Amino acid sequence: EDKVVQSPLSLVVHEGDTVTLNCSYEVTNFRSLLWYKQEKKAPTFLFMLTSSGIEKKSGRLSSILDKKELSSILNITATQTGDSAIYLCAVNQFYFGTGTSLTVIP
Amino acid sequence: SQTIHQWPATLVQPVGSPLSLECTVEGTSNPNLYWYRQAAGRGLQLLFYSVGIGQISSEVPQNLSASRPQDRQFILSSKKLLLSDSGFYLCAWSRDWRVTGELFFGEGSRLTVL
Repeated sequence: EDKVVQSPLSLVVHEGDTVTLNCSYEVTNFRSLLWYKQEKKAPTFLFMLTSSGIEKKSGRLSSILDKKELSSILNITATQTGDSAIYLCAVNQFYFGTGTSLTVIP
Repeated sequence: SQTIHQWPATLVQPVGSPLSLECTVEGTSNPNLYWYRQAAGRGLQLLFYSVGIGQISSEVPQNLSASRPQDRQFILSSKKLLLSDSGFYLCAWSRDWRVTGELFFGEGSRLTVL
């Protein structure tokens, strides 16, 4: 059975801190790993990582795929209150993990 | 441009009553369609997905069902709701994974079963 696990389940940090969110997976025929941010209702797409693109960066957010360790990390530097959200990891397009709830305190 | 509509946004239903959540996609053809359920503050549990009209795959056995009567319409149903069916339901669509992996989500339907 395919499995995607995220850690930690929740995290509270202060503005300006750097955070690292983890996603590990056990799936057959890995194709891609995607990160989403969910603030209130609809999750919004952040990054997609594949065998041919194992590192992505956009502003203060960056993500790396480790195919050997079957995992990925999402880094957020200089966190802001607007980063408060649930961060979701999905493997092979539609299998989602448990989510990490991030709260950034002013 | 493509849009996805999901309704109703909020629903309060008694135990044992039927359910129908509807989702439609505009601006694309032959999308892959998905229904997810999300517990409070948690990840998304895949319930059903469809790659074409009348083609439904169920990921989790339960008292819910899904149908795809038209190419861009996806319906989540139940004949008799249980308390455990309460949750936040999200509809999503995607293109074939060989084109791009991203899912596009609707705004969700919050169901409370009393």
